[in-house]
Amino acid sequence: QLQLQESGPGLVMPSETVSLTCSVSGGSVSSIIHYWGWIRQARGKGLEWIGSVYYNGSSFSTPSLKSRITISVDTSKNQFSLRLSSVTAADTGFYYCVRHVTDIVGAVFGDYYMDAWGRGATVTVSS
Amino acid sequence: QSVLTQPPSVSGAPGQRVTISCTGSSSNIGADFDVHWYQRLPGTAPKLLIYANIFRPSGVPDRFSGSKSGTSASLAITGLQAEDEADYYCQSYDSSLSVWVFGGGTKLTVL
Repeated sequence: QLQLQESGPGLVMPSETVSLTCSVSGGSVSSIIHYWGWIRQARGKGLEWIGSVYYNGSSFSTPSLKSRITISVDTSKNQFSLRLSSVTAADTGFYYCVRHVTDIVGAVFGDYYMDAWGRGATVTVSS
Repeated sequence: QSVLTQPPSVSGAPGQRVTISCTGSSSNIGADFDVHWYQRLPGTAPKLLIYANIFRPSGVPDRFSGSKSGTSASLAITGLQAEDEADYYCQSYDSSLSVWVFGGGTKLTVL
């Protein structure tokens, strides 16, 4: 049974960098048929895809956050991580890690969907 | 403002049928990208409910069904039960924005 578990600091100061880690059990981030990603729900907003990473380290992110995001994968620890820099109050919210999968042979990025979600981690940006 | 549009809320009595719409555009649903649906029960993480427009993951009751036509998709729930009370989100991919996009979510209330 695949399980994803987010971990992070909870509270971060404005303008600083927040780091979140997703620990994977019951599956492997080295899988070549999955992407691993981050979704957030900022306060008062809907769900927003932040970015995703492949087992080889190739990453993609939403253009609106691209300049502030680093997503990486650590196959030795079976984890993947998100770093979001220069945070503001607008980044406060709930952050989920997810697994992407597709049934389509020769799929493009847009063919993937999110078949597993972590329970989520709260990020509060406040001084 | 979400790229995919859902009604903020729907409601129905136990045993009834409800539908939740998800309206997109020519750069996402209308561009033939699949629509997926997620259920978020109170206090829990979202769970995949329908994938690739019409398919149910193992364990999802057949009371839940999905459909897609043109630039829209729908989630139907028949035989409504109290435990169906949750938030429901549609999701697709937008080729103009190059992002996965979600609907704003629909809160289902079982009367």
